[in-house]
Amino acid sequence: GDSVTQTEGLVTLTEGLPVMLNCTYQTIYSNAFLFWYVHYLNESPWLLLRSSTDNKRTEHQGFHATLHKSSSSFHLQKSSAQLSDSALYYCAYLSGSFNKLTFGAGTRLAVCP
Amino acid sequence: EAAVTQSPRSKVAVTGGKVTLSCHQTNNHDYMYWYRQDTGHGLRLIHYSYVADSTEKGDIPDGYKASRPSQENFSLILELASLSQTAVYFCASSDRANTEVFFGKGTRLTVV
Repeated sequence: GDSVTQTEGLVTLTEGLPVMLNCTYQTIYSNAFLFWYVHYLNESPWLLLRSSTDNKRTEHQGFHATLHKSSSSFHLQKSSAQLSDSALYYCAYLSGSFNKLTFGAGTRLAVCP
Repeated sequence: EAAVTQSPRSKVAVTGGKVTLSCHQTNNHDYMYWYRQDTGHGLRLIHYSYVADSTEKGDIPDGYKASRPSQENFSLILELASLSQTAVYFCASSDRANTEVFFGKGTRLTVV
């Protein structure tokens, strides 16, 4: 079945350094909808980015990601980490015909002063 | 603004007891979901529904039942709670045509 892999469980960065959170996926479907959700403690997870277009950069709130179907990847990047970026980040894949999201295990980003 | 409300927000249950987690959405969305969050596993889909009075099994349905009595309400039922069901549970909704999923704030369930 479909699967999403986030290789890092925890990423610790100093404020101002670049961010890159990895996401790869496996699917039998040719159409791929990929998402990044962000989850702050005691809040609801919410949609940060989404894309279904191959090789097109998607940006929101300083973060960006590019879907590469050739490598089945959708890595999340930001040029300069901020303290407020500390959160849990989920990569997710939309599969089938029922809006069924498959999530990765999540990467916790901790940004330190 | 889209709203998904879960109740209770936290609960302590006894092993073998029955637990019902409730979810209400005011988004007028067709699809509703129950996810379980565990460290190292991310969000895993338990049950979902795309129409009232119908539910579907997700990826980890064992030990859980779901009920969708109306478009707005979706419940998760643990008939015999077990220690392994201690987790944070998230309800979510989405529109048939919209690929964005809106989440509630979660219910922290502790089974003792």
